[in-house]
Amino acid sequence: TQLLEQSPQFLSIQEGENLTVYCNSSSVFSSLQWYRQEPGEGPVLLVTVVTGGEVKKLKRLTFQFGDARKDSSLHITAAQPGDTGLYLCAGAQSNTGKLIFGQGTTLQVKP
Amino acid sequence: DAGVTQSPTHLIKTRGQQVTLRCSPKSGHDTVSWYQQALGQGPQFIFQYYEEEERQRGNFPDRFSGHQFPNYSSELNVNALLLGDSALYLCASSWGTGAYEQYFGPGTRLTVT
Repeated sequence: TQLLEQSPQFLSIQEGENLTVYCNSSSVFSSLQWYRQEPGEGPVLLVTVVTGGEVKKLKRLTFQFGDARKDSSLHITAAQPGDTGLYLCAGAQSNTGKLIFGQGTTLQVKP
Repeated sequence: DAGVTQSPTHLIKTRGQQVTLRCSPKSGHDTVSWYQQALGQGPQFIFQYYEEEERQRGNFPDRFSGHQFPNYSSELNVNALLLGDSALYLCASSWGTGAYEQYFGPGTRLTVT
């Protein structure tokens, strides 16, 4: 069974601080996605990483896929209250549409 | 461009009852996947529909069944509801069964009392 472990599970920081969320697995994934979910809503796709070692930037968010395609990280620079939400990583099994989700990281950014 | 839509938004049912949830995929998408998200957890894959057939299934009992219509919309049916079925049910659409980029609807919050 493929599992994705996210850490930390909860993070409460002040506006302007930096943070990193980790997503780790013992299994190899063909791709990995990061989603952000707000209460009562569905997850919104932020980014997809496919190649080992790949780095993608989305404004203040930087996503990295591990060289072995088993882990990923999300780094937020100068966090803002609008970044508050549940961040989910999801790994895709090769040639299937089945996503394996981590348990999520709840981020609270206080003004 | 309409995104993924789901209905109803909220639903309250009693143990033992049956429920049907509905999903319309994003325009241009032909594949629908269903996920269950318990409070404080990540979504768990239930099953995926493509060309009106169930293509893949997660670790869920036969009480969970589905259907896909010719217009690609889909239904999720749950029979003999248990208290543990209370969750947010998410529908995600994509193009093709192997597509890893899935777009989620807002979900249906099911409460079983």
